[in-house]
Amino acid sequence: KAGVTQTPRYLIKTRGQQVTLSCSPISGHRSVSWYQQTPGQGLQFLFEYFSETQRNKGNFPGRFSGRQFSNSRSEMNVSTLELGDSALYLCASSSGPSGEQFFGPGTRLTVL
Amino acid sequence: TQLLEQSPQFLSIQEGENLTVYCNSSSVFSSLQWYRQEPGEGPVLLVTVVTGGEVKKLKRLTFQFGDARKDSSLHITAAQTGDTGLYLCAGEEGGSEKLVFGKGTKLTVNP
Repeated sequence: KAGVTQTPRYLIKTRGQQVTLSCSPISGHRSVSWYQQTPGQGLQFLFEYFSETQRNKGNFPGRFSGRQFSNSRSEMNVSTLELGDSALYLCASSSGPSGEQFFGPGTRLTVL
Repeated sequence: TQLLEQSPQFLSIQEGENLTVYCNSSSVFSSLQWYRQEPGEGPVLLVTVVTGGEVKKLKRLTFQFGDARKDSSLHITAAQTGDTGLYLCAGEEGGSEKLVFGKGTKLTVNP
């Protein structure tokens, strides 16, 4: 069974730009969660989607948004990038809201 | 927001040594999970503990959940170089099903 895939793996952007990251969950998984990982703050929850609906949201500004498609694939978007948005963005999928989460390898975003 | 404090932040030991890392909070968690993350990869779930006082063993790894469900520890016996990685604990926040992560313990096992 293929694992969680995230594209792209690496991304370099400049301040003020926007970026879209993609996550393909494990086949059959309907829940997708997004996390931001930085050395200073560790792993922080961004949001969770289940069956195309956002179920939970973390404490991030409105510049961070996401969506989920009918095939469970998910995207997250960050607008008006800031230097502090440089991080590893991780996606995790599970069969349901309380199921074990399986993480993808992450997208490393660098904002210059 | 419930916080999880992990200690130590960094740990460097020789192969064959034993070690314990800690995960503490002032809040009660309904369950607590331990993950290991290797460079360039996402975290991988090692274990979930749900009952206060619970002890789970996974080969050379022993996980314990505190009686009050506020803290947990991970003990590794006879560490191997393959144990190197970032160990993260995570708790489910107050029934919201949102996971709160500690900042992790970066373990290096030297040959």
